[in-house]
Amino acid sequence: AQSVTQPDIHITVSEGASLELRCNYSYGATPYLFWYVQSPGQGLQLLLKYFSGDTLVQGIKGFEAEFKRSQSSFNLRKPSVHWSDAAEYFCAVGPGGYNTDKLIFGTGTRLQVFP
Amino acid sequence: SAVISQKPSRDICQRGTSLTIQCQVDSQVTMMFWYRQQPGQSLTLIATANQGSEATYESGFVIDKFPISRPNLTFSTLTVSNMSPEDSSIYLCSVTGGQGDTQYFGPGTRLTVL
Repeated sequence: AQSVTQPDIHITVSEGASLELRCNYSYGATPYLFWYVQSPGQGLQLLLKYFSGDTLVQGIKGFEAEFKRSQSSFNLRKPSVHWSDAAEYFCAVGPGGYNTDKLIFGTGTRLQVFP
Repeated sequence: SAVISQKPSRDICQRGTSLTIQCQVDSQVTMMFWYRQQPGQSLTLIATANQGSEATYESGFVIDKFPISRPNLTFSTLTVSNMSPEDSSIYLCSVTGGQGDTQYFGPGTRLTVL
């Protein structure tokens, strides 16, 4: 069965430090991959997505993610975290093949940023 | 991307009652979806709202509990019927412009059932 795993439930970093949030997926084919962010009391905002092509994708707010097929991973990175980045981050996969309907979400990683 | 609004943003309801949540998009969209996010959990797809026909429900969700309407390409409603405290969740709608398009999410409706 398809699944998405975010191994880290909660991560704490200092402002200005680098960040990497992990995402592993289990899927039969090459899926579509997404990272969303949810600030407290807010809906989900798309950070970036991977459909095909260059495996290093750039997103909004200085985030990037790298698709590694051999590791079934799509980790999210940011070189220098800002206090406003504190939020819940969700990795999601879609079935690919021009189908983005059936998204499967990971359980999320809560990021806390200390000044 | 489309601008999506939901009403109400939050509500506190008594068990046994029903609540209808509205999702409005500022442009015509092909697909609309409803998700549930239980406290501390991830998002689970409830159903796909089909324009002019019955919604398509995911396993574990039924029309009697979560009736959905979609009268046109910019609007949908989700009703949570005969509520119990286990229905306390955030309910989110999302949309795509078509096949292969990214899903964009509304701000969510935070429901508390007492």
